[in-house]
Amino acid sequence: KAGVTQTPRYLIKTRGQQVTLSCSPISGHRSVSWYQQTPGQGLQFLFEYFSETQRNKGNFPGRFSGRQFSNSRSEMNVSTLELGDSALYLCASSPSTGDYGYTFGSGTRLTVV
Amino acid sequence: DQQVKQNSPSLSVQEGRISILNCDYTNSMFDYFLWYKKYPAEGPTFLISISSIKDKNEDGRFTVFLNKSAKHLSLHIVPSQPGDSAVYFCAASALGTGNQFYFGTGTSLTVIP
Repeated sequence: KAGVTQTPRYLIKTRGQQVTLSCSPISGHRSVSWYQQTPGQGLQFLFEYFSETQRNKGNFPGRFSGRQFSNSRSEMNVSTLELGDSALYLCASSPSTGDYGYTFGSGTRLTVV
Repeated sequence: DQQVKQNSPSLSVQEGRISILNCDYTNSMFDYFLWYKKYPAEGPTFLISISSIKDKNEDGRFTVFLNKSAKHLSLHIVPSQPGDSAVYFCAASALGTGNQFYFGTGTSLTVIP
């Protein structure tokens, strides 16, 4: 079956702009989580959505937001981009929340210049 | 505050020998632990997990050991193969926090043929 699909794979944006990243989970998976990966910081949890509701949120500023649609697809948005937002953004899906274990997508590499 | 730490950024091992990757955590509420493997330009891939009610879990060449009193877990790969060369992340979650995982910063394993 198809894996977790993230689009686009690469993105270059200018400081101050906003960006929207998309994630299509594995068919039947209802939980989608987002992570930011930067060198030296590992993967940092952004938020989890389950059944269109934000289930958990990590320690990120309000510029980072997300949503989930009825078909479980998810988007995350970053407004007023800063240079420090340059990172690999990973989406992961799971059949349900508290399922203990994800399948990750290949990520979107965001570069802010 | 890094609640999950992987203090060795890199490790080199000869093919056929044992690879031991270590992970320490600080939060005593963590009750589920996972290891992921990541190749460049790909998302992390689930490898093996362990619940806090166990102290060992084995899957083929991969064994994870958990020492709750020391808040330490380790991943053993025996025998190591060149295809195991990747970055390994450990992750931890606490009961009731859904799919929110805390990841370490990763250990880059190189298996030398």
